[in-house]
Amino acid sequence: QKEVEQNSGPLSVPEGAIASLNCTYSDRGSQSFFWYRQYSGKSPELIMSIYSNGDKEDGRFTAQLNKASQYVSLLIRDSQPSDSATYLCAVIVSGSARQLTFGSGTQLTVLP
Amino acid sequence: DAGVTQSPTHLIKTRGQHVTLRCSPISGHKSVSWYQQVLGQGPQFIFQYYEKEERGRGNFPDRFSARQFPNYSSELNVNALLLGDSALYLCASSSAHRDHTEAFFGQGTRLTVV
Repeated sequence: QKEVEQNSGPLSVPEGAIASLNCTYSDRGSQSFFWYRQYSGKSPELIMSIYSNGDKEDGRFTAQLNKASQYVSLLIRDSQPSDSATYLCAVIVSGSARQLTFGSGTQLTVLP
Repeated sequence: DAGVTQSPTHLIKTRGQHVTLRCSPISGHKSVSWYQQVLGQGPQFIFQYYEKEERGRGNFPDRFSARQFPNYSSELNVNALLLGDSALYLCASSSAHRDHTEAFFGQGTRLTVV
């Protein structure tokens, strides 16, 4: 079982819709969770961090964490074509050197 | 403030050669980590340095080595390059070595081994 799993997609949503991206992780002791956006040919860009159960909102982005179920999600409201990218879920696994463990990413396409 | 800077941005090397990649972290950040990202996958952890000491090493062969300098910049060295080393090499900068610390990536170095 991979430590961090994401649906690879591709996920397509129409412009203005809500995009929902999901991530599950295997280490129950993990405490730190991140979402990165990566445009094709570019490096990952941090868009959200979340450490406590519940929701965290930043503009059109909402991260949701449920430690009991070991999943993290990212909602993108009012999706725009510029949101088309690969979204990477990353976890700091407990007992590690505090490095990021990434999922393989979900490719999102927002259709105009 | 300048973000994380990496050099060079692109590099083509021949099998068996050696390569050195460089990274300057965000001003004030003392932790640098290196990641390898091959096409279609998430980044894979290679090394982490904090306060000039190695704090973690991923599952990479001994051909990979790194160091951090007194000004917190870092180098990643790869010896005896293989075709499979072709990837995007990413440097991440963070302010501390603890949980709940955000990491920010440089633009990466695209290494092609031919």
